[in-house]
This record gives sequence, structure tokens and C-alpha cells, in this order.
Amino acid sequence: GESVGLHLPTLSVQEGDNSIINCAYSNSASDYFIWYKQESGKGPQFIIDIRSNMDKRQGQRVTVLLNKTVKHLSLQIAATQPGDSAVYFCAETLNDYKLSFGAGTTVTVRA
Amino acid sequence: EPEVTQTPSHQVTQMGQEVILRCVPISNHLYFYWYRQILGQKVEFLVSFYNNEISEKSEIFDDQFSVERPDGSNFTLKIRSTKLEDSAMYFCASKPGFNQPQHFGDGTRLSIL
Repeated sequence: GESVGLHLPTLSVQEGDNSIINCAYSNSASDYFIWYKQESGKGPQFIIDIRSNMDKRQGQRVTVLLNKTVKHLSLQIAATQPGDSAVYFCAETLNDYKLSFGAGTTVTVRA
Repeated sequence: EPEVTQTPSHQVTQMGQEVILRCVPISNHLYFYWYRQILGQKVEFLVSFYNNEISEKSEIFDDQFSVERPDGSNFTLKIRSTKLEDSAMYFCASKPGFNQPQHFGDGTRLSIL
């Protein structure tokens, strides 16, 4: 069946360094992908999205890369800040009616 | 910035009781969703709602669950007879159109005793 997963459950990064969070997806038919950030006690917060006809998209301090050949999605955060500490989820849409979430990566920023 | 709001933030209910979770989606959004997240686990899809009807539902969304959009602003999730395993965070989400990102509320923590 379809599933979205992350390679690592936790990531510790030094403040100011760049972070890379990885996600593998299994459904080659998925055509829309979203990264969410979830802070403690809050709902998922939209970060950036990408459609399957693109391989890279940049936002403010964030970049999403999509490699359809190996069904891999990554989120790069530049100059990681303490406020970036959170759980990060990738999600895919199978038919645009629902999102399938991965298990999440907990990012901890060290001062 | 407009946001999805959910009430209450925490609901404690006795097993077997009915519970209604409330959501006010972003005002110009057309697609509405409920998800749940059991503590420490990933977010799971429950149901999607568009044009006043359910678009899709997961196997979790059984006959004990129902959704309603009673007016132009509210979107509710009802659990008719709660079970212990219904304890979770329940998130409402909405989006304006097709292939647009869903925006989530901060959830209702449901605790079944």
C-alpha cells in the first residue's frame, strides 16, 4: 500500500548550520508533496510544497527537493535557528482528497 | 493571517458518551478535513468533506463517526459512543482549492476515561 516515511526519527543540528531532513515515499503516482512543521501542542504548520512536475522549490530559508527516480523528498533548512526545533512531517497526496503523513523527524537545534 | 480554529482545546469524556469536536475553517476555503494523531504517532486521515458531502473516509471513520457543516462557518466531528482507543489529538484542516496545501488547526485533545 501507499506509505510515506522518513529516514531518521531524530536529527540534532548546531545552530547556524544547515539541516537536511529526508523522506521516502512509495507511491510513484503521488503528484503533490508537502512539508509540515509541528511544534509541541500545536497542529501541523505548512512549510513548503512541491508538485511532481518539479524537482526543486525554494522558500524563505527552506528548499524542497524531489527525486522521482528514487521516490525521495528532502527539506533543507538554511542557517537553522532554535525556533526550527520541531517535528517535521512530509506528506503526499494520492488523489488530492487526503494527505498521507510520514512518521516524522524530530529536529533539535543545539545552541 | 487567517487560521483554522478548534474548540475545545481539551475534552474529557466518559467512555460510551457522545462527543462533538468543533472547527471553524478559514473562511474562503472549500475543502475540509479531520485527522487524528495518537500520542507519539503520525497524523492519520479520517475524512474529507467537499460540497456538503463526504469525499473520502478512512477505515478509522466507522459508523460511530459523523461530520457536519451545519452553517457557513462551522465543521464538526461527532463520535457517537466513544471508546478508550478514541483518545487522541483531533485536527481539523481546510484548503481553498484543488492541489492547494491544507491548513491545520491546533487540535482538540480528546481523553476518554
